[in-house]
Amino acid sequence: EVQLVESGGGLVQPGGSLRLSCAASGFTFSGKWMHWVRQAPGQGLVWVSRINSDGTTTAYAGSVKGRFTISRDNAKNTLYLQMNSLGAEDTAVYYCAKTEAAPKHFDLWGRGTPVIVSS
Amino acid sequence: DIVMTQSPDSLAVSLGERATINCKSSQSVLYSSNNKNYLVWYQQKPGQPPKVLIYWASTRESGVPDRFSGSGSGTDFTLTISSLQAEDVAVYYCQQYYSTPYTFGQGTKLEIK
Repeated sequence: EVQLVESGGGLVQPGGSLRLSCAASGFTFSGKWMHWVRQAPGQGLVWVSRINSDGTTTAYAGSVKGRFTISRDNAKNTLYLQMNSLGAEDTAVYYCAKTEAAPKHFDLWGRGTPVIVSS
Repeated sequence: DIVMTQSPDSLAVSLGERATINCKSSQSVLYSSNNKNYLVWYQQKPGQPPKVLIYWASTRESGVPDRFSGSGSGTDFTLTISSLQAEDVAVYYCQQYYSTPYTFGQGTKLEIK
């Protein structure tokens, strides 16, 4: 089955760190560009970051640049998002998504993992 | 950054009637080299991830009912549902993938009148 499954979300204190994972299956992970998109409670969708197929180029939203790092392990078919210096504004459901090629629309999404930043 | 603005923010339409959602980008998302508009429409239902409806502004995703259609070019786009069904109640988002950051519209909540 073609799917993306996120994990690693949870409750973290302000200023803390968290690493999200996204396990891919059912397709050739190493050939796809991957993204993280987040959605705060009751709010809209916000693109966070993307990484190319071999992990050599990345891009970030201004709100997370310098705090978040996207990476991937093609041998493990897994995408990561290392999040540091977390603040309340980072509270959201984090989705991973793939694109067939860049630039293109996100044609497969995971179900998301929630991140709550609170003391 | 390209700003995506949807209108209206919410919409109530009777079953079987037409629903129209607009999306305007702050700059053109049309690539002249391939004449493609880098614009996608998603549908999101509560507790679910977004689902692709239309990409390249007017290409319907496989499996999406033909009552959904997309139109427009450059900076102005429209998603049309020709005959609203109960299962179409959702929030609809447009998104540009022309350049990073890939920005979304604020969403349009569609309800049954």
